[in-house]
Amino acid sequence: AQTVTQSQPEMSVQEAETVTLSCTYDTSENNYYLFWYKQPPSRQMILVIRQEAYKQQNATENRFSVNFQKAAKSFSLKISDSQLGDTAMYFCAFIQGAQKLVFGQGTRLTINP
Amino acid sequence: DAGVTQSPTHLIKTRGQQVTLRCSPKSGHDTVSWYQQALGQGPQFIFQYYEEEERQRGNFPDRFSGHQFPNYSSELNVNALLLGDSALYLCASSNDVNTEAFFGQGTRLTVV
Repeated sequence: AQTVTQSQPEMSVQEAETVTLSCTYDTSENNYYLFWYKQPPSRQMILVIRQEAYKQQNATENRFSVNFQKAAKSFSLKISDSQLGDTAMYFCAFIQGAQKLVFGQGTRLTINP
Repeated sequence: DAGVTQSPTHLIKTRGQQVTLRCSPKSGHDTVSWYQQALGQGPQFIFQYYEEEERQRGNFPDRFSGHQFPNYSSELNVNALLLGDSALYLCASSNDVNTEAFFGQGTRLTVV
């Protein structure tokens, strides 16, 4: 069974700092997708960034980038120049084929002014 | 494009009652998945509908059932509600294998 583990329940940084959220996953599959979702207090799950397992290049979206280590089954999210609006729950998620999204337990990130 | 819409946004039910939650997928999407998110936890997969059929199901009892209509909208039904069914119920839509899932804002269900 696929599992996703986020080992940091909470993190807190100052505005403009860089923060890295950790995620590890377990799968026997070779082709899959990994995602980071943001869930602010409004509750809506918003996609931050996605990574296709067959691509070696790490995905980047503006201030958000990932460090994808396929052999180690590690998928961390780096947020540069953090902003107050980045405060939210962040979920790492895995999907293979047309199957379900498997989520981690989440990391509560607080950006302090 | 209205995105994924869910109704109602909040709901309070009594133990033993039945509830129906509704979801309209994003325009162009034909697959709808439902997730249960308990407070402080990650979402857990309930089931997925495609072409009006349940394509796959998570580890949830038969009290949880669903339906997909020809216009791709979907319903989640929960019978014989338990206190433990209190959670945020999220609907997500997509249109192909391995594409991004778009989420609605969820329905907060409280069972008292």
